[in-house]
Amino acid sequence: DADVTQTPRNRITKTGKRIMLECSQTKGHDRMYWYRQDPGLGLQLIYYSFDVKDINKGEISDGYSVSRQAQAKFSLSLESAIPNQTALYFCATSDSMADTQYFGPGTRLTVL
Amino acid sequence: EDQVTQSPEALRLQEGESSSLNCSYTVSGLRGLFWYRQDPGKGPEFLFTLYSAGEEKEKERLKATLTKKESFLHITAPKPEDSATYLCAVQVSAGGFKTIFGAGTRLFVKA
Repeated sequence: DADVTQTPRNRITKTGKRIMLECSQTKGHDRMYWYRQDPGLGLQLIYYSFDVKDINKGEISDGYSVSRQAQAKFSLSLESAIPNQTALYFCATSDSMADTQYFGPGTRLTVL
Repeated sequence: EDQVTQSPEALRLQEGESSSLNCSYTVSGLRGLFWYRQDPGKGPEFLFTLYSAGEEKEKERLKATLTKKESFLHITAPKPEDSATYLCAVQVSAGGFKTIFGAGTRLFVKA
């Protein structure tokens, strides 16, 4: 079984809809991240959490919110989706003692 | 401004034709440099971490090196299964948590 899972894998929605992307991990890592990937651009950090009670904004947090429900779960919400939020979204985890991040398989989100 | 640039954007090689990918960086303080491999439709997969100039890491046909301004990913005698996008990321030591990803190099290896 995959160590980092994301649901859904694909989602098509309409402008103005609320969307939640979910991430679960079995690696036992404290730290979790949400990234966005657009064609021709590097991964951009949306939010990150270093433990259950910790939430931090990344470089592109506007229009997004997150919830860390447990050590193993970190969800990303788009309160009112807009077309320029169409992208690939990746969840990642890392251990507090190491810097290496481990990524999930991604969610392809299309906002019409 | 902290910046990571990868070159070339795309690279086409024949099987067995060795080459190098470049990752140049300008950051306020380097905590670590990471190389990832990304296959189509999948998340990035960790390859190497380098922490200081002069450091080298190897794995099968791949070798990563680091200087004070750039890193190289050398691919020796590549095979078609090495075809993927290779991502470089730099973790910055100043100003809290910050990791900057390059846009990647798409590698195509033809049999």
